Amino acid sequence: KQEVTQIPAALSVPEGENLVLNCSFTDSAIYNLQWFRQDPGKGLTSLLLIQSSQREQTSGRLNASLDKSSGRSTLYIAASQPGDSATYLCAVSGFQKLVFGTGTRLLVSP
Amino acid sequence: DGGITQSPKYLFRKEGQNVTLSCEQNLNHDAMYWYRQDPGQGLRLIYYSQIVNDFQKGDIAEGYSVSREKKESFPLTVTSAQKNPTAFYLCASAGSLQETQYFGPGTRLLVL
Repeated sequence: KQEVTQIPAALSVPEGENLVLNCSFTDSAIYNLQWFRQDPGKGLTSLLLIQSSQREQTSGRLNASLDKSSGRSTLYIAASQPGDSATYLCAVSGFQKLVFGTGTRLLVSP
Repeated sequence: DGGITQSPKYLFRKEGQNVTLSCEQNLNHDAMYWYRQDPGQGLRLIYYSQIVNDFQKGDIAEGYSVSREKKESFPLTVTSAQKNPTAFYLCASAGSLQETQYFGPGTRLLVL
């Protein structure tokens, strides 16, 4: 059974810092890995999707990497801003469904 | 204005009552999903559908039912058999099972 773990569970940084969020999964047989953002009381917004054949994806200040063999992904956020404060969830796509981690709650203070 | 909508935003259930949560999408997506989110836990899959008139149980289907009579709509019924229904419910859709999922704004269900 696929299990997804995210570390740390919470992170607080001052504005301007570069930071890394970690995601690990137990079964390397995945189709893709996705990173989502969730604001309090809201739905999820897709940030990046990495296909299993890819090593990384970039969108603006975000860069996500995937190492399928070791079961790890990282989300790198450059020059963090207060507007980046949210919960970040990773999810791996296996046969017919996504399995989610429990998220990292990020607070960027001005 | 394409997207996925859920209603209502808040829903209250009385003891022994069935309630239905609405999910509609105009993205022309084949696949639709229902998730439950509890504090401190990740999203858990309740039901999913790959195509009209077909759906499969997810990890926590007991006490829930769905229908998929139209491509655009995937309503979720929380039955009286679900003894702990208080949670945040999220609906999603995707072009296929391996593509990015797009989420609705969620429905928060509370028990009176």
